[in-house]
Amino acid sequence: AQTVTQSQPEMSVQEAETVTLSCTYDTSESNYYLFWYKQPPSRQMILVIRQEAYKQQNATENRFSVNFQKAAKSFSLKISDSQLGDTAMYFCAFMELGTGSYQLTFGKGTKLSVIP
Amino acid sequence: EAGVTQFPSHSVIEKGQTVTLRCDPISGHDNLYWYRRVMGKEIKFLLHFVKESKQDESGMPNNRFLAERTGGTYSTLKVQPAELEDSGVYFCASSQDVSGTQYFGPGTRLLVL
Repeated sequence: AQTVTQSQPEMSVQEAETVTLSCTYDTSESNYYLFWYKQPPSRQMILVIRQEAYKQQNATENRFSVNFQKAAKSFSLKISDSQLGDTAMYFCAFMELGTGSYQLTFGKGTKLSVIP
Repeated sequence: EAGVTQFPSHSVIEKGQTVTLRCDPISGHDNLYWYRRVMGKEIKFLLHFVKESKQDESGMPNNRFLAERTGGTYSTLKVQPAELEDSGVYFCASSQDVSGTQYFGPGTRLLVL
């Protein structure tokens, strides 16, 4: 069974600094997608960034970028120039393709606090 | 465009009672998913509808949970009878394509006493 591990339950970062959230996953499939979702306090979960496993280039979305290491099964999220609005729970998630199931498998989440 | 909506936002019931959660997906999204997060644990998949059909219900914990999506629009998830371990946050998500990005609703916080 596939698993997603987020080894940092909580992190904090100073405003305007850079922070990296780690995520590793385990799968025997070669075709899959990876996601980072963000859930701000008392608000709904939104997609931050998505990476297709067949793409070698790391996905980037404004201040958010990933470091995708397929061989190591690692998918870390880098947040540059952290802002107070980045305070949230961050979930790494994984979707296998071609198995007939399109469920997301989530990690336990990392609670990020941006300190003024 | 309206996002995924869920009702109610909170529900407190006693063990043995019945609760029905509702999800309205984004208009035009054929795919609808239910997930659950029990306190301190990962968000877990429950089931996936494509239109009105159950594509994958491998995550449903037991037969106390019944999901429906009549007409392929909104979906309901009924828990009957509720047990203490059913407490958690129930999320609904929808996507246009089966492998497309899933957009989440705000969740329903269920507390079973």
